[in-house]
Amino acid sequence: KAGVTQTPRYLIKTRGQQVTLSCSPISGHRSVSWYQQTPGQGLQFLFEYFSETQRNKGNFPGRFSGRQFSNSRSEMNVSTLELGDSALYLCASARSGGRMQNIQYFGAGTRLSVL
Amino acid sequence: AQKITQTQPGMFVQEKEAVTLDCTYDTSDPSYGLFWYKQPSSGEMIFLIYQGSYDQQNATEGRYSLNFQKARKSANLVISASQLGDSAMYFCAMREGREAAGNKLTFGGGTRVLVKP
Repeated sequence: KAGVTQTPRYLIKTRGQQVTLSCSPISGHRSVSWYQQTPGQGLQFLFEYFSETQRNKGNFPGRFSGRQFSNSRSEMNVSTLELGDSALYLCASARSGGRMQNIQYFGAGTRLSVL
Repeated sequence: AQKITQTQPGMFVQEKEAVTLDCTYDTSDPSYGLFWYKQPSSGEMIFLIYQGSYDQQNATEGRYSLNFQKARKSANLVISASQLGDSAMYFCAMREGREAAGNKLTFGGGTRVLVKP
């Protein structure tokens, strides 16, 4: 069974640009969450999508947005990039629905560098 | 206040010995879940073990066990018989609320483990 796939693995952008990251969840998983990992702030929750609807949202500015498609694949967009957006962006999927159904499985991440 | 606290930034452990990684949490919600993840230098987060707030027994998964002390709000990870491949960052995380509320995880700052041969 294929794991969570994130593309691209590495990205280099300049300030002011926008970027779109993609995440394909494990087959059958309906929940997709996004996290930002930086040395200074650690791992922070961005948002979660379930059945194409945003179910939870973290404390990030509106420049960070996402969406989920009918096949559960998700994209995350960051507009007007800032130097501080340089981070490892991790996507996680979960089957969702019961006690052991909410275990999140993570992808390898997209490392974004903003110059 | 920090919701998840991992007080050990780094530790060495001898191969084949057991190691305990500390995690304390703070929540007023009676329903929550506690998770441990391993992050090797490659970056991918690997799920290790889960404990629900209503679980009566401590969770175990192979060489991993979770020492759940609800009254003390601690959820320490025990790795038995450490292997060189166990060298990694370890994160404790919590989901507050019932499963139906979603999958937002709050992570601790992590503990870096280095296994010595």
